[in-house]
Amino acid sequence: AQTVTQSQPEMSVQEAETVTLSCTYDTSESDYYLFWYKQPPSRQMILVIRQEAYKQQNATENRFSVNFQKAAKSFSLKISDSQLGDAAMYFCAYRRGETSGSRLTFGEGTQLTVNP
Amino acid sequence: DGGITQSPKYLFRKEGQNVTLSCEQNLNHDAMYWYRQDPGQGLRLIYYSQIVNDFQKGDIAEGYSVSREKKESFPLTVTSAQKNPTAFYLCATTPYSPGFYGYTFGSGTRLTVV
Repeated sequence: AQTVTQSQPEMSVQEAETVTLSCTYDTSESDYYLFWYKQPPSRQMILVIRQEAYKQQNATENRFSVNFQKAAKSFSLKISDSQLGDAAMYFCAYRRGETSGSRLTFGEGTQLTVNP
Repeated sequence: DGGITQSPKYLFRKEGQNVTLSCEQNLNHDAMYWYRQDPGQGLRLIYYSQIVNDFQKGDIAEGYSVSREKKESFPLTVTSAQKNPTAFYLCATTPYSPGFYGYTFGSGTRLTVV
């Protein structure tokens, strides 16, 4: 079974600084997708960024980027120029690639605090 | 606008009582999921359904039941057999076709045992 591990239960960053959230996963599959979701205090889950395993290029969405290390099974999220609105719980998630209907497996989450 | 509606937002259950959480979607997505969220434990999969009239158990299905009689709806019943039902419940959907899709989530239901 696939597992996803987020080893940092809590992180903090100063506004305008950069922070990196860690995620590792365990799988024997070669075709899969990885995601980062954000859950603000409203508890609405918001997709931040996603990465296809067969793509070597790291995904980027504005201030959010990932460092995807397939051999190491690592998928970290970098938030640049942190803003107060980035404060949230962040979840890393994994999905097998053969059908999009396959289940998402989530990590335990990292609570990010942004200090003014 | 297409989306997922979960209701109610807050639900209180007495000991020994069954309660049903509603999840309705108009996104025309085939697959639907129920997750439970507890503090410090992330999201754990309860049940999921990839097509109408079919569903599978997730990792923590004991004490829960579901039905999928129509594509738009995937209600979750928390039975009296679930010993610790107080949690936040999230419903999600995704298309069931090859592709690079994540989930679309509802806004959740907070269930409390009183």
